[in-house]
Amino acid sequence: GQGVEQPDNLMSVEGTFARVNCTYSTSGFNGLSWYQQREGHAPVFLSYVVLDGLKDSGHFSTFLSRSNGYSYLLLTELQIKDSASYLCAVSLPNYNVLYFGSGTKLTVEP
Amino acid sequence: GGIITQTPKFLIGQEGQKLTLKCQQNFNHDTMYWYRQDSGKGLRLIYYSITENDLQKGDLSEGYDASREKKSSFSLTVTSAQKNEMAVFLCASRTGGSQNTLYFGAGTRLSVL
Repeated sequence: GQGVEQPDNLMSVEGTFARVNCTYSTSGFNGLSWYQQREGHAPVFLSYVVLDGLKDSGHFSTFLSRSNGYSYLLLTELQIKDSASYLCAVSLPNYNVLYFGSGTKLTVEP
Repeated sequence: GGIITQTPKFLIGQEGQKLTLKCQQNFNHDTMYWYRQDSGKGLRLIYYSITENDLQKGDLSEGYDASREKKSSFSLTVTSAQKNEMAVFLCASRTGGSQNTLYFGAGTRLSVL
């Protein structure tokens, strides 16, 4: 089967940073996406990475290491409103199928 | 901008009942999806469709049927609701090409008595 793993919970402090990890083991790889999901709402797209290395998008940055099957989403200058679940999803080579992890619930405390 | 509309928002059914969930999108996207989200679990793919009248099974297709009669709509049927079942069903559509951006509807919350 396809495996996409994320830790269940993460806590951090307002004004600091949080790193949300994702590891995957899939039969093929064509890219990895990150989504934010607030309680009771639909997931919202944040970022898509294909190449190894760090992709800086301001408040959100993403890192990918394909050889290690590992990615992280880095949130800087945290705000209370960043409290949400963060889902990673791996795309298979036919582009059409995405496998999601169970999500990491980030809690940002004052 | 576009929108994905799922109906109903809440669905309460009886054990053994056949239940239908509907999804409409006005992005003009080709590919549409149905995912199931259980509490504490990730999104699991039930069915997807790459064009009108196309249906592809996901890992969780057993117990479900789907229909894509128009490009803009994708419906999902729970063929026999399971007692005490509770889950959120999310419909999504995808932008074209290699950029895998999914746009999600707000979800249908199912409870089976």
